[in-house]
Amino acid sequence: DGGITQSPKYLFRKEGQNVTLSCEQNLNHDAMYWYRQDPGQGLRLIYYSQIVNDFQKGDIAEGYSVSREKKESFPLTVTSAQKNPTAFYLCASSIRGGWGNQPQHFGDGTRLSIL
Amino acid sequence: GESVGLHLPTLSVQEGDNSIINCAYSNSASDYFIWYKQESGKGPQFIIDIRSNMDKRQGQRVTVLLNKTVKHLSLQIAATQPGDSAVYFCAEMTGAGSYQLTFGKGTKLSVIP
Repeated sequence: DGGITQSPKYLFRKEGQNVTLSCEQNLNHDAMYWYRQDPGQGLRLIYYSQIVNDFQKGDIAEGYSVSREKKESFPLTVTSAQKNPTAFYLCASSIRGGWGNQPQHFGDGTRLSIL
Repeated sequence: GESVGLHLPTLSVQEGDNSIINCAYSNSASDYFIWYKQESGKGPQFIIDIRSNMDKRQGQRVTVLLNKTVKHLSLQIAATQPGDSAVYFCAEMTGAGSYQLTFGKGTKLSVIP
């Protein structure tokens, strides 16, 4: 089945540690996105990528980094510079980034907590 | 920046009744809107979308209404079922070349059996 796979489902980070969240899609979508969701809040955009080898900062990019070496993959690294990383992280993809207003489709998220 | 908001944070309905979830948006330039359903521990699931050149769109048991005059969006769910219990988000996008969805905080729908 086509879809978006995020792993791991749960992740724990120690102080000063970088952690990487995986996102893979087999929908042949060009655009991919990372969002952060805090309890009782809507989603906030961290980074997005409209095409391979290109990505742009969203509203809350500080303390995060991404790469887009393959169309199918868009990993997110939460660095030690992110002082409040505990949240639910959601990856999404869409057919084209911003062309024709296509809906974004989401994976089932990774919950990151601090040890 | 401007963002999407919701009138009601929680909504309880009897099974079989119709549900109406409301959303107010403040950016008059927004021209594309999406409703998502999010169950506990899962990612948002696309329900239905509508473009600003329409005022109504129907799906299976769901209808989205758009009132651009008062910048209001609503999601109607017919014959609400226990499986409809979830948090519902509206999201807006501005401009045909846009990439960014702006999400509201969500409304929790609880269905009473």
